[in-house]
Amino acid sequence: DTGVSQNPRHKITKRGQNVTFRCDPISEHNRLYWYRQTLGQGPEFLTYFQNEAQLEKSRLLSDRFSAERPKGSFSTLEIQRTEQGDSAMYLCASSLKRPGGADEKLFFGSGTQLSVL
Amino acid sequence: AQSVTQLDSQVPVFEEAPVELRCNYSSSVSVYLFWYVQYPNQGLQLLLKYLSGSTLVESINGFEAEFNKSQTSFHLRKPSVHISDTAEYFCAVTRTAGGTSYGKLTFGQGTILTVHP
Repeated sequence: DTGVSQNPRHKITKRGQNVTFRCDPISEHNRLYWYRQTLGQGPEFLTYFQNEAQLEKSRLLSDRFSAERPKGSFSTLEIQRTEQGDSAMYLCASSLKRPGGADEKLFFGSGTQLSVL
Repeated sequence: AQSVTQLDSQVPVFEEAPVELRCNYSSSVSVYLFWYVQYPNQGLQLLLKYLSGSTLVESINGFEAEFNKSQTSFHLRKPSVHISDTAEYFCAVTRTAGGTSYGKLTFGQGTILTVHP
């Protein structure tokens, strides 16, 4: 178990640029979640995948945000035309959800800190 | 929809003193409750959870939390803290779904616990 890996750790960009983050979940995990955390707040749910299917998206996820999980392995989160309000820590988490299983334990990565200047 | 309120943004205590971190939630449906801890420069880690059964749940490092349905609270306590407990603590809830937990969590704002020697 190598844990959930997120890259890059930090990203500084200028307003209007596009950015892409990557998340590598724990290898056998079938679910993958994206959260966003701003200073002084708890993480907020953005979206999640079961295998390669994106099953739910938050209203926080505007049209400028897109997430993919090709082949049900790693995931990318892209933000187009970044705005200063996008500055936040973007967290990825993964879990193994078994059919009929009563429990789903999330394992979080250390996050990607985005600063939009 | 669910919401979580952590009543204290910062809690300073001396080593070996008891501590209580308060958490209240609001939900129109049944929920499961969690406490996560985030140590400096690390990802969120599950500390303890309440799914069902005994309303008092314990972690391996001496923390405990009690689910109080009438008060809609899930306060975290430790009778004697250590320097190494210094971290940010997040209370979270998720709706139950057919008896299984679900990784879409609603987090509180976080409480920074600082343990002084």
